Amino acid sequence: QVQLQESGPGLVKPSETLSLTCAVSGYSISSGYYWGWIRQPPGKGLEWIGSIYHSGSTYYNPSLKSRVTISVDTSKNQFSLKLSSVTAADTAVYYCARDVGTMVRGVIIYYFDYWGQGTLVTVSS
Amino acid sequence: SYELTQPPSVSVSPGQTARITCSGDALPKKYAYWYQQKSGQAPVLVIYEDSKRPSGIPERFSGSSSGTMATLTISGAQVEDEADYYCYSTDSSGNLRRFGGGTKLTVL
Repeated sequence: QVQLQESGPGLVKPSETLSLTCAVSGYSISSGYYWGWIRQPPGKGLEWIGSIYHSGSTYYNPSLKSRVTISVDTSKNQFSLKLSSVTAADTAVYYCARDVGTMVRGVIIYYFDYWGQGTLVTVSS
Repeated sequence: SYELTQPPSVSVSPGQTARITCSGDALPKKYAYWYQQKSGQAPVLVIYEDSKRPSGIPERFSGSSSGTMATLTISGAQVEDEADYYCYSTDSSGNLRRFGGGTKLTVL
């Protein structure tokens, strides 16, 4: 059974960098698939942040791209998120998830099948 | 940008059929996926590739898609189906992932 677990500081000061790690168990990141980060501000909807392949190839949400870096460490079977210059608007529950690609009508479609439980990150001084 | 539009809320009585819609310009070329999120929990996939149901998801959950509209149908909705439901798809390139705004389903 694939399991994902987010970890990192629950409180970050404005203008600083938010850093989270997602540890994966039950599946080797090196075996394939993309791995993604999604966030959810309190009382609001889901927002995809970005995804990374085991090789390091990334896709980012254009609205966050200038502030986001996602990296992967296959030796530790984990991947990480860094979001710079945070403000109160970045307060959210951050989820990591496996980002599965399936071939549909000749095109690869990506979606999230396994999710972590989520971790709340509050941006406040 | 690529948008997926859902109604903010849907309300039904127990045993009735609930229908939640999702509209998006790329849906004719891309599949729709549906996630259920209960309060305080991570989202769970309930429909993939427009109409397929993952193992463990009750048969009362079904999906369909026509043109730019995808629909999640819960036949005989139960109180335990109360949750937020999010449609999901990608842009035309397949690389940018996108969630709809979410629909709060009330069953009472």
